Amino acid sequence: NAGVTQTPKFQVLKTGQSMTLQCAQDMNHEYMSWYRQDPGMGLRLIHYSVGAGITDQGEVPNGYNVSRSTTEDFPLRLLSAAPSQTSVYFCASRDADSSNEQFFGPGTRLTVL
Amino acid sequence: AQSVTQLGSHVSVSEGALVLLRCNYSSSVPPYLFWYVQYPNQGLQLLLKYTSAATLVKGINGFEAEFKKSETSFHLTKPSAHMSDAAEYFCAVTRWGGSYIPTFGRGTSLIVHP
Repeated sequence: NAGVTQTPKFQVLKTGQSMTLQCAQDMNHEYMSWYRQDPGMGLRLIHYSVGAGITDQGEVPNGYNVSRSTTEDFPLRLLSAAPSQTSVYFCASRDADSSNEQFFGPGTRLTVL
Repeated sequence: AQSVTQLGSHVSVSEGALVLLRCNYSSSVPPYLFWYVQYPNQGLQLLLKYTSAATLVKGINGFEAEFKKSETSFHLTKPSAHMSDAAEYFCAVTRWGGSYIPTFGRGTSLIVHP
């Protein structure tokens, strides 16, 4: 199993550009989440999904969109990038049992100029 | 509602010394508690978890944590630090049932001196 994969690993954008961060998992997990990690702020939840076709907002959803058309994929879209979105982004997945661990991808380091 | 507080954004120890990373939680119902470790330029991976079985939980790499309900704590310890333990450590809380996504603490950076 590849686990949770994320692409790209690094990205530089100019303010106002759009892009999609890709996330895929091959463990047939129902739950998938996007976090951003900033120094001193820990992990903050952006959006999450509890199954195909179902998404919901987390703590910091503004400026980001998600969709979940398949169990495997959960892309994160930045519609109009801003410097405040410079961060490291992690995708995670888990099965429906909340006592089980989340599996994290390797992260995408995004810089918005 | 649930929350996690990690005391100390940085903890510095000498190699061979005791490691103690503090985590206090708030939850209106019995929690599930996790410790994750993040090595430089990597994603998070599970160290150990508490899910209402034994209160003393053993994890990978010699780490353990004790769930103390009366103190609402889940501190992470290791008797003897190794240079390879240098990393960021995150405590997380969730709970049984529903679509509960874990809440993470702000993380503690463990620095190990030779």
